[in-house]
Amino acid sequence: ILNVEQSPQSLHVQEGDSTNFTCSFPSSNFYALHWYRWETAKSPEALFVMTLNGDEKKKGRISATLNTKEGYSYLYIKGSQPEDSATYLCAFITDSWGKLQFGAGTQVVVTP
Amino acid sequence: EAQVTQNPRYLITVTGKKLTVTCSQNMNHEYMSWYRQDPGLGLRQIYYSMNVEVTDKGDVPEGYKVSRKEKRNFPLILESPSPNQTSLYFCASSELRLAGGPADTQYFGPGTRLTVL
Repeated sequence: ILNVEQSPQSLHVQEGDSTNFTCSFPSSNFYALHWYRWETAKSPEALFVMTLNGDEKKKGRISATLNTKEGYSYLYIKGSQPEDSATYLCAFITDSWGKLQFGAGTQVVVTP
Repeated sequence: EAQVTQNPRYLITVTGKKLTVTCSQNMNHEYMSWYRQDPGLGLRQIYYSMNVEVTDKGDVPEGYKVSRKEKRNFPLILESPSPNQTSLYFCASSELRLAGGPADTQYFGPGTRLTVL
């Protein structure tokens, strides 16, 4: 059972536009949420680890927010560039031992 | 260079022939984990380990075994592979939080593409 949901499944964005997408997770027993960027034929790369309600993290043009009470996190890409094209995954830590569940990802395609 | 290595990178085998995919990390991480990636299903956790001799099941452990005899190594064993285990496999490692679970972002290996005929 996939308790972590990401929407939309895919996005097409024009170069220069900003976009955002959502990761939803169970709001009870929150431990941590991770965001990863995954380019085709490569391994997932870490973006953010979010642990506290209200967390906001930023890395260049990419940022993320966290709302643990309502069970969602947003990832924002400002001024999208073709190199931002990738699948963005969120992963929810489901217990204190480290069991982890990934969402199915949001595929972002940025066209020039 | 900090890295997670997996071997082999590609493997084609036949049903029932035991195989092992090795995973090794050089960052002294406590937490290690195996995932499989299938189209439309994203990454699913198979097994994870919080330290030497401490392992636990993820969401899809059936048909797999792991061991953690040394901190740096976390091999994935398929005793009797079947075609439904054809997949892309990733190993990952990270430090461990005091509260449990991966502390920081996980470092992923390059992946092993397994085909079981």
